Amino acid sequence: NAGVTQTPKFRVLKTGQSMTLLCAQDMNHEYMYWYRQDPGMGLRLIHYSVGEGTTAKGEVPDGYNVSRLKKQNFLLGLESAAPSQTSVYFCASSYWGTDGYTFGSGTRLTVV
Amino acid sequence: QKEVEQDPGPLSVPEGAIVSLNCTYSNSAFQYFMWYRQYSRKGPELLMYTYSSGNKEDGRFTAQVDKSSKYISLFIRDSQPSDSATYLCATYNNNDMRFGAGTRLTVKP
Repeated sequence: NAGVTQTPKFRVLKTGQSMTLLCAQDMNHEYMYWYRQDPGMGLRLIHYSVGEGTTAKGEVPDGYNVSRLKKQNFLLGLESAAPSQTSVYFCASSYWGTDGYTFGSGTRLTVV
Repeated sequence: QKEVEQDPGPLSVPEGAIVSLNCTYSNSAFQYFMWYRQYSRKGPELLMYTYSSGNKEDGRFTAQVDKSSKYISLFIRDSQPSDSATYLCATYNNNDMRFGAGTRLTVKP
């Protein structure tokens, strides 16, 4: 049972480039989330989804877009990367939300 | 003011010590409270979650919530070197989970 799988694990982008981070879960969870983690700031919610075909904005959505075309996948896109988006990105999923989240191992993104 | 405040530490204790980790939160709407453990360069993993006030015990770990003072605690008994990690508190309500910045704990053999 793989849980939550994130790809890629590392990436270096130049300012203005675009990329997509992929999150896949095999637990049949309804809810999926994208967070970024920065030193001293903790985890901050970027976007989330409460089911296939749905997305919603979180605390820090600017500069990011998401899609959930299939229940098991949640994609995070950066259309024009900026140095301020250098961070560690975590995907998480949950069945109810109230039962806690299962996190992936993260994607370390550096924008130069 | 952040929604969830947590002392970042670092906290260093000898093996076998009792560890107390604490958080405060500001929004009384939060009903669920959780603790996550995060090892270096790994994703957070759920340790415990509780609903409303009271205590919950799981092995060496005890989570405590006092909603009247908006205070969350995690106690670790007989701490082990393998407990060395960053501990994140979190509060949840209606698809909104807010995390503390984490307390870095080192348990020395």
